[in-house]
Amino acid sequence: AQSVTQLGSHVSVSEGALVLLRCNYSSSVPPYLFWYVQYPNQGLQLLLKYTTGATLVKGINGFEAEFKKSETSFHLTKPSAHMSDAAEYFCAVSLSGNTGKLIFGQGTTLQVKP
Amino acid sequence: ETGVTQSPTHLIKTRGQQVTLRCSSQSGHNTVSWYQQALGQGPQFIFQYYREEENGRGNFPPRFSGLQFPNYSSELNVNALELDDSALYLCASSYSGTGGHNEQFFGPGTRLTVL
Repeated sequence: AQSVTQLGSHVSVSEGALVLLRCNYSSSVPPYLFWYVQYPNQGLQLLLKYTTGATLVKGINGFEAEFKKSETSFHLTKPSAHMSDAAEYFCAVSLSGNTGKLIFGQGTTLQVKP
Repeated sequence: ETGVTQSPTHLIKTRGQQVTLRCSSQSGHNTVSWYQQALGQGPQFIFQYYREEENGRGNFPPRFSGLQFPNYSSELNVNALELDDSALYLCASSYSGTGGHNEQFFGPGTRLTVL
């Protein structure tokens, strides 16, 4: 069965510091992987996705993630945090393509300190 | 282009009641998925509708049911509400076709509180 584990329910960084949000997945077949962001009282917005091809994926707002099959990981990074990055981040996996059932991790709350 | 919309924004019900939540998909999309997001948790897949037929279901009891209409809008119905049904309900629309699959676009959600 598929599953997603996000390490760290809360991450706090200073403005300008590196952001690293960790995601590990479990899947018996090659997965599609996603990172979503959720701002308070809003729905989910896609940051980036990995389907096939290049393992380093660039997304919106300066975020990127690297698919590492050997480590079953898909960690999200951003070189320099902005105050506006404070939000809830969810890693998700799908087996059936982009419109298949998404399985989400528990989420990581990113706090950005001035 | 209008995005995914959901109504109502907030809803308060009591145990045992029934509720209907509505979702209008983005223009050009033919697939709608529903998710339940309990407080402090990640969203959980309830079911998906493709061309008016259920196309996959998560681990939710039969009192969770849905519909998709010819215009691809959708409803989520929950009967015999329980306290644990209190959550944010998210709708996501996407396009599925022979050319491949596209990403799911999420609506802002409906916050359901069961007292």
